[in-house]
Amino acid sequence: QSVLTQPPSASGPPGQRVTISCSGNSSNIGSNSVNWYQQLPGTAPKLLIYTNNQRPSGVPDRFSGSKSGTSASLAVSGLQSEDEADYYCAAWDDSLNGYLFGTGTKVTVL
Amino acid sequence: QVQLQQWGAGLLKPSETLSLTCAVYGGSFRTYYWSWIRQPPGRGLEWIGEINHRRSTNYNPSLKSRVTLSVDTSKNQFSLTLNSVTAADTAVYYCARNDILTGLGYWGQGTLVTVSS
Repeated sequence: QSVLTQPPSASGPPGQRVTISCSGNSSNIGSNSVNWYQQLPGTAPKLLIYTNNQRPSGVPDRFSGSKSGTSASLAVSGLQSEDEADYYCAAWDDSLNGYLFGTGTKVTVL
Repeated sequence: QVQLQQWGAGLLKPSETLSLTCAVYGGSFRTYYWSWIRQPPGRGLEWIGEINHRRSTNYNPSLKSRVTLSVDTSKNQFSLTLNSVTAADTAVYYCARNDILTGLGYWGQGTLVTVSS
């Protein structure tokens, strides 16, 4: 089964830059755009980045996304305590004909 | 302002049927696909499937045999039915609006469904 692989955790002190990777294949990231979701503890996920690198209204420009080939990444600059959350990448998978979420990355602010 | 409000039974016994409904307030119901996603306790997100106003559906292959999505356009509501539940189906279930360009931009509040004998 197709899967989008993320590191289980990432961390950094306040103010630092953290990057989260998302690895897929040609049927998902390689041929479709990537979205990123932020899930704060006990809440529903929130759309953070869409179409690889676009921020919805209200999302700080500290968050940025990129995609290259079959991988994508999310960068959080100027890390703040409120950024402590789980982050998920996601993309449509043409083989599954379905939406695929990444395995998730827990970001901790030290 | 778009809002999704969901409801349904929170406690089921094994082999029973899970049934959840999501009402959409604001925005166009006919423009989007409407999705269900679940999250087992302490685990990641799993996409269940989606439906549009024409009742066109896409399902997660791993759940397809047990899942039915339906829509009531007169009420701007869509529903999830999952048959023959087991403990493995215990999760928080979310409804969400899927925009083909911008992804899952609006989510319901989530419903914890526990399957236990």
